[in-house]
Amino acid sequence: QVQLFQSGAEVKKPGSSVRVSCKASGGPFDTYAFSWVRQAPGQGLEWIGGIIPFFGSSYSARKFQDRVTFTADRSTNTAFLELTNLRSDDTAVYYCARLGPYINQGRFDSWGQGILVTVSS
Amino acid sequence: QSALTQPRSVSGSPGQSVTISCTGTSSDVGTFNYVSWYQQHPGKAPRLMIYDVNKRPSGVPGRFSGSKSGDTASLTISGLQAEDEADYYCCSYAGSYTYVFGTGTKVTVL
Repeated sequence: QVQLFQSGAEVKKPGSSVRVSCKASGGPFDTYAFSWVRQAPGQGLEWIGGIIPFFGSSYSARKFQDRVTFTADRSTNTAFLELTNLRSDDTAVYYCARLGPYINQGRFDSWGQGILVTVSS
Repeated sequence: QSALTQPRSVSGSPGQSVTISCTGTSSDVGTFNYVSWYQQHPGKAPRLMIYDVNKRPSGVPGRFSGSKSGDTASLTISGLQAEDEADYYCCSYAGSYTYVFGTGTKVTVL
């Protein structure tokens, strides 16, 4: 079973960018998609999008399309999320999750521990 | 891509059954059989409980079951136990490589 390890908490100013990472260990990396899901304080889960490392192809929810970039380093089994032009309502716990077995027939079967990103002036 | 609609809360006594509904549209739940359910305890990451509408991953107790009718999926917990008290979220494939989560339901064991 794959385990996902995420980078540490971040505090950012409004208008800045954040890049968070998710390292996979103990399972295949290339052939799965890795998604990002966020959860604002006291709120529900919100799917952001993700990447298939093998192809380098990414996909996202419409509301994030112009502010989000997904990348992956296949040499270290690590996926990255970069979110730009941060606003206070981007304050949330950001989870990475493995999506499989196929990008269009999937479920999120492994989750990272989550990263708190706080956007505050 | 609007969130799927779930009841805010459901409750039951130990041993009873509870059912959580998840209502979408013909663009997601109504068309695709890729509905999954997640359990989340406070301060923890979500855990996959049901996938492909009604399949259980290894390690998930048999008291959890899923179904779907039209645009509405459901999660049933039979024989409710204290450790089942948590938040539950449904999720559906919505086409064009996108996914949508439900609004979430808090399950309380009385």
